[in-house]
Order: sequence, then structure tokens, then C-alpha cells
Amino acid sequence: EPEVTQTPSHQVTQMGQEVILRCVPISNHLYFYWYRQILGQKVEFLVSFYNNEISEKSEIFDDQFSVERPDGSNFTLKIRSTKLEDSAMYFCASSEARQGVGEKLFFGSGTQLSVL
Amino acid sequence: QKEVEQDPGPLSVPEGAIVSLNCTYSNSAFQYFMWYRQYSRKGPELLMYTYSSGNKEDGRFTAQVDKSSKYISLFIRDSQPSDSATYLCAMSGNNRLAFGKGNQVVVIP
Repeated sequence: EPEVTQTPSHQVTQMGQEVILRCVPISNHLYFYWYRQILGQKVEFLVSFYNNEISEKSEIFDDQFSVERPDGSNFTLKIRSTKLEDSAMYFCASSEARQGVGEKLFFGSGTQLSVL
Repeated sequence: QKEVEQDPGPLSVPEGAIVSLNCTYSNSAFQYFMWYRQYSRKGPELLMYTYSSGNKEDGRFTAQVDKSSKYISLFIRDSQPSDSATYLCAMSGNNRLAFGKGNQVVVIP
């Protein structure tokens, strides 16, 4: 069964360092997303990506964040200068249709980011 | 009022019991309603999906939607220890997708 894969599963970094989280969406999906979940909190939307550009982003997704699809399979989230409050589980997701119009999202297993 | 409300209180039930979970919402634009299951240290997995008021059954799972009351429910019959997970409601419409906070369910053998 096709699945979304994410690497690494755990990432530990020092405050102020840059991190790149990687995802391989399901191959025939066209829409890609990043979500995060702080321990004990809701799953929160960060950004959606379609046709090689950001289609929607939340207020959480500020200038320290960026996304890229560097080739035909990978989808990355970069956090430029990490802060303690960036510690969370980051989930990549993909879908055939656009978020908010009845799509079904498929999530990866997540990357647990710990900022020290 | 929060857009999606789900009482996050943990729920422990004996094996074989019926599990009942619910969410309320305030955004009338929501037209699609989902339940995701999340095992520990895993991503959410789509469990149930519906877009109309009424009931939808899939095996031991029943999703119920009442759009007039802005209320959705998930029932798990004959619960099994393998059903122990966090269950998140989610709803979408008008380019919005919002999740509830999740309910941790523990089914005790």
C-alpha cells in the first residue's frame, strides 16, 4: 500500500541551528502539506504546496520556515533558526485533491524535532 | 467558541464495551467530516470519512453527523485492545481543514 515516508524519525538540534525535514509523498498525489503537533496539543496546519508553490500557509509558518520540492519525489520543510518552541512532531501529508474540498489526507509517521 | 471542540479527556473502557466519542464545531462551511486514528508515535490514519448528515458504518465503527446541531460522533462496538489509540475528529470545507484535540482511548483486556 502506498504511504508517505518521512526522515529522520527523530532530530535533535541546538537552538539557532537550521534543520531540514524530509518527506516522500505518495507518488500520484498532487497536494502536499506540513502539519505539526506539540505534545498534548492539536494537530496544527503549517503549509500546503501545489504545483511547485505554496498554496496556503498558517500564521505559524513565518519567515523562519520554508518548503521545497527539490526533485520529483521529495518534499522538504526547512526551519532556518530553530527556537525552543519549535520542538514538536512534524507530519508530512499528501492528497489527491486540495485541502478543504473533501480531500483525504494521508500522513507520514512524523519527525520528532527536539530543540535544546 | 473554538472552531472544533473535542474533549481531550482520556477514556478507559473494558474490552467489548462500546466507545463513544464526539466533537462539536462552529464553522458552518464544514461539509466533510473525518475521524483519524493515531497510534503512539505514528501519524494520523484516516478511519472514517463522511459528508452528509446521518450514520455511516464500517465494520465495528459508526460515524454519525448531525449538521443541524454541528455535532459528530464516532462509535466503536465490541472494542478491542488494538483499538487503543488517540482518535481525532477533523472537518473541512471552504479551503479549511481543522482537527480536534484528540481523545486518548485505552481498551483494557
